[in-house]
Amino acid sequence: RKEVEQDPGPFNVPEGATVAFNCTYSNSASQSFFWYRQDCRKEPKLLMSVYSSGNEDGRFTAQLNRASQYISLLIRDSKLSDSATYLCVVNPGEEGGSYIPTFGRGTSLIVHP
Amino acid sequence: GAGVSQSPSNKVTEKGKDVELRCDPISGHTALYWYRQRLGQGLEFLIYFQGNSAPDKSGLPSDRFSAERTGESVSTLTIQRTQQEDSAVYLCASSLVGTSGSYNEQFFGPGTRLTVL
Repeated sequence: RKEVEQDPGPFNVPEGATVAFNCTYSNSASQSFFWYRQDCRKEPKLLMSVYSSGNEDGRFTAQLNRASQYISLLIRDSKLSDSATYLCVVNPGEEGGSYIPTFGRGTSLIVHP
Repeated sequence: GAGVSQSPSNKVTEKGKDVELRCDPISGHTALYWYRQRLGQGLEFLIYFQGNSAPDKSGLPSDRFSAERTGESVSTLTIQRTQQEDSAVYLCASSLVGTSGSYNEQFFGPGTRLTVL
């Protein structure tokens, strides 16, 4: 089983749609979780951290489910500019034995007019 | 500078040549990571530096790859006797590594696009 798994997509949605991505992880001791966004031929950039209680930033909502070992990202009212690859990142942290984050392969989102 | 910088932005080299890639992390960031990303693929971890500790080299694909870091500043990734399969974007990231449970966001540089002919 891969350490961090994501559906590669692509998810092809119209503008204004709501879309959700999930990401599962295998290390139950993992401590911190992130969603990064990577545009074509660009470096990854932090979209949002994922907190235990869940968190929201405008149209974006992130959730963590430790019992089932997955995180999710919900995008409401999709914009054309949301088209990108969304990377799930899991950081074991000290308790998990490493500060080396594990990146998922990414989920591709295409928002069309 | 405000962010992570990398140089060169592009490098074209001939098979068998050595190349050196440079990364300047964000000032004060104790952790520095190198990744490789082949076209259309995910990020592949290469090496991790944390302060003055011995680096974690577990991701280096062969002994042709090596990296150094001076204190908590500049890092260089060296690839000797380059092969065509080394063609990729090499990304550097830095972060603050805090106490257990802290959120250690990574900040990436723009990458070096390496093409081996």
